[in-house]
Amino acid sequence: GEDVEQSLFLSVREGDSSVINCTYTDSSSTYLYWYKQEPGAGLQLLTYIFSNMDMKQDQRLTVLLNKKDKHLSLRIADTQTGDSAIYFCAEKPNGGATNKLIFGTGTLLAVQP
Amino acid sequence: NAGVTQTPKFRVLKTGQSMTLLCAQDMNHEYMYWYRQDPGMGLRLIHYSVGEGTTAKGEVPDGYNVSRLKKQNFLLGLESAAPSQTSVYFCASSYGGIGTDTQYFGPGTRLTVL
Repeated sequence: GEDVEQSLFLSVREGDSSVINCTYTDSSSTYLYWYKQEPGAGLQLLTYIFSNMDMKQDQRLTVLLNKKDKHLSLRIADTQTGDSAIYFCAEKPNGGATNKLIFGTGTLLAVQP
Repeated sequence: NAGVTQTPKFRVLKTGQSMTLLCAQDMNHEYMYWYRQDPGMGLRLIHYSVGEGTTAKGEVPDGYNVSRLKKQNFLLGLESAAPSQTSVYFCASSYGGIGTDTQYFGPGTRLTVL
């Protein structure tokens, strides 16, 4: 079945690194995404990784993919108070004509000054 | 370029009332989606459309109807609202091609059904 799991809450101090984890079950997924939702706003795409990659780095963001364990992580270096938000991982299963995404439950990141 | 817009932003309904949520996109995207977001459950797909005049059911379609009469608009209807439909509703659109096909989200509509 299709299910994406995340821990609900993470608290870090400003300047530290944050690591948000995600597990998924559909091994056919071609792309995996990280979205950010700030309070009262919609979701904004942060980054994505293709399923044949192990790692992708984009400025302060590092995405690691362990396809064998179906584990995805997002590392935010030098976390700032502006990074406080809910982070969703999502997978795009292969096949079908919908391009639909399966979202995780979201991880609330709280950054303490 | 406004992206994806949603109206209204907030709404309170009584049980049994009906309403329509409007989503509009100006990116010429083929695909459009309606999601609901509930605490601890992430986003769940209600209905989606892969082109003008087409609609299909998602994960949680019961109690909702949709229409895509124009490419840029995707309407979500509640014929007889129930308290279980209290949620935040997000519309999204995407180009629809192969590859990453990034979904772009609207700001959401917060609906309360009393």
